[in-house]
Amino acid sequence: AQSVTQLGSHVSVSEGALVLLRCNYSSSVPPYLFWYVQYPNQGLQLLLKYTTGATLVKGINGFEAEFKKSETSFHLTKPSAHMSDAAEYFCAVRADNYGQNFVFGPGTRLSVLP
Amino acid sequence: GAVVSQHPSWVICKSGTSVKIECRSLDFQATTMFWYRQFPKQSLMLMATSNEGSKATYEQGVEKDKFLINHASLTLSTLTVTSAHPEDSSFYICSAAGGAWGNQPQHFGDGTRLSIL
Repeated sequence: AQSVTQLGSHVSVSEGALVLLRCNYSSSVPPYLFWYVQYPNQGLQLLLKYTTGATLVKGINGFEAEFKKSETSFHLTKPSAHMSDAAEYFCAVRADNYGQNFVFGPGTRLSVLP
Repeated sequence: GAVVSQHPSWVICKSGTSVKIECRSLDFQATTMFWYRQFPKQSLMLMATSNEGSKATYEQGVEKDKFLINHASLTLSTLTVTSAHPEDSSFYICSAAGGAWGNQPQHFGDGTRLSIL
């Protein structure tokens, strides 16, 4: 079975500061890992994903994440926060190699302070 | 890019009525569609997976007679909440994936906020 934990349900950073959102997973098979962003009353938008290959993955809006197998982590970072980054962020692991069933983490709400 | 349209975006109705939510893939054939439920300030919980032309597979604890899913075509899936009650109020999100066994990237709709009075 797969599971995802996100440390910190709410993270606040100042505009221009580093953003770090933590994600740890457990998976019985090689994981496919994803980060999604959700703005209020909207669906999910894919930020980035790791499937195979390079462990440092770059996504949209300046975000990137690094897959660390030894730490079972896939933390999301952005060097400089922007006000528009304020949203809910979900880390997800795909549950199996052939289907598309995702297991989502509980989410982290990012607030960006002026 | 691939677009999934979900309609309606917000619906308010009286207790006891049935509500239908549509999920359409606009520019690709969705062999597999997924329905999620999201409670306030919580994560998404998979309710069911549907493949075109076959019965949906429901997750444990989800009442199949309460949440009717139809995936009659490669571009449309519907979720009908039957005899809705206030506890069914939630944010429902669909996603769609193409390819064999739906193994192409999954694209999400914008969600439907359902409020039952």
